[in-house]
Amino acid sequence: EAGVAQSPRYKIIEKRQSVAFWCNPISGHATLYWYQQILGQGPKLLIQFQNNGVVDDSQLPKDRFSAERLKGVDSTLKIQPAKLEDSAVYLCASSREFTGELFFGEGSRLTVL
Amino acid sequence: KQEVTQIPAALSVPEGENLVLNCSFTDSAIYNLQWFRQDPGKGLTSLLLIQSSQREQTSGRLNASLDKSSGRSTLYIAASQPGDSATYLCAVNNRGSNDYKLSFGAGTTVTVRA
Repeated sequence: EAGVAQSPRYKIIEKRQSVAFWCNPISGHATLYWYQQILGQGPKLLIQFQNNGVVDDSQLPKDRFSAERLKGVDSTLKIQPAKLEDSAVYLCASSREFTGELFFGEGSRLTVL
Repeated sequence: KQEVTQIPAALSVPEGENLVLNCSFTDSAIYNLQWFRQDPGKGLTSLLLIQSSQREQTSGRLNASLDKSSGRSTLYIAASQPGDSATYLCAVNNRGSNDYKLSFGAGTTVTVRA
């Protein structure tokens, strides 16, 4: 089966600019996650969707980050305006249900100059 | 709040030696625990998933044990190879009031010397 697809793989922007990342989860997976991974650290959950509803966005900086999951499939994560500290890898993951095994995409590496 | 710790942060061994990676967690009321591998510049690849009712899980040269009461999991990699060089992360799934929360450790970076 096809894995979790993410794009773009790499993005370089200047601070205060905006960026968007796209994720297509594994077919049939109801739960979708966006994680932020800063170099040398473990992934930090930004937002979790169950179908197209938000389950947990407690660590999402809502003044600049937004995410949506239309029709319970694809998802987009947006940052506007970007700050230097947003430089990180943004990982999308999906699972069949809440407690199931997580499968990750290759990640989108963001560099903010 | 669940805290997940992985020690050591880095490990270097000669080829053929067995690897022992440790993961400890503060809240023992877990639902499951998952071990991942991450290669540089890549996403995470799932290695093993252990349910809370299980004591261990095996896949090929990999064996993961779970001791909930002491808040520990150990990943064993037998007869290490240079291709095993990567960062290994553990993630613990806790049940919240109406959802499940996954907490990651910072990982152990392994180098296997040929």
